[in-house]
Amino acid sequence: GIQVEQSPPDLILQEGANSTLRCNFSDSVNNLQWFHQNPWGQLINLFYIPSGTKQNGRLSATTVATERYSLLYISSSQTTDSGVYFCAVRNFGNEKLTFGTGTRLTIIP
Amino acid sequence: DVKVTQSSRYLVKRTGEKVFLECVQDMDHENMFWYRQDPGLGLRLIYFSYDVKMKEKGDIPEGYSVSREKKERFSLILESASTNQTSMYLCASSSLGAYNEQFFGPGTRLTVL
Repeated sequence: GIQVEQSPPDLILQEGANSTLRCNFSDSVNNLQWFHQNPWGQLINLFYIPSGTKQNGRLSATTVATERYSLLYISSSQTTDSGVYFCAVRNFGNEKLTFGTGTRLTIIP
Repeated sequence: DVKVTQSSRYLVKRTGEKVFLECVQDMDHENMFWYRQDPGLGLRLIYFSYDVKMKEKGDIPEGYSVSREKKERFSLILESASTNQTSMYLCASSSLGAYNEQFFGPGTRLTVL
């Protein structure tokens, strides 16, 4: 099956810093999503981005499908950005999402 | 906004009990999914359903069954709960088609004693 790797596994930053999270995947995909898992365990949809670039406030994401990676950018980090960020992909002919192992982001005041 | 709700946030059951986890979505989505999340193992698909009364096994279906009698509702059943089924259970839904987004419920943290 498709493999999804995320880096770094852990990231600790001061409030106000910028960060880049990476997601590499092993096969062509028709669906890529970024999620933020909050401290209560809920997965919050950040981006649906099988290709191209999107921005939403302080967050933006870029997927280069031909090179099989996606990047999530967080600018001017706030403590509420803390949590685990997951990348998940789906490839053609498959209904299920395959998740990466996540990046745990900790923002220190 | 898509809304996926789960019947309980926290649940404590005893070994051998029959456990029902309920999930409801309000966006008329065809697909519904049950995942479990464990430290170090990530999210793994248990079952999914693409239509009423239809189901497909995911990666780890052993010890679980599902029921989908209505389009908006998808139930996960633990016939005889065991301690290794202590986990976070997440329900999701999406529309049919090659390009679609999955939306998740708040999760149920199940502890089996």
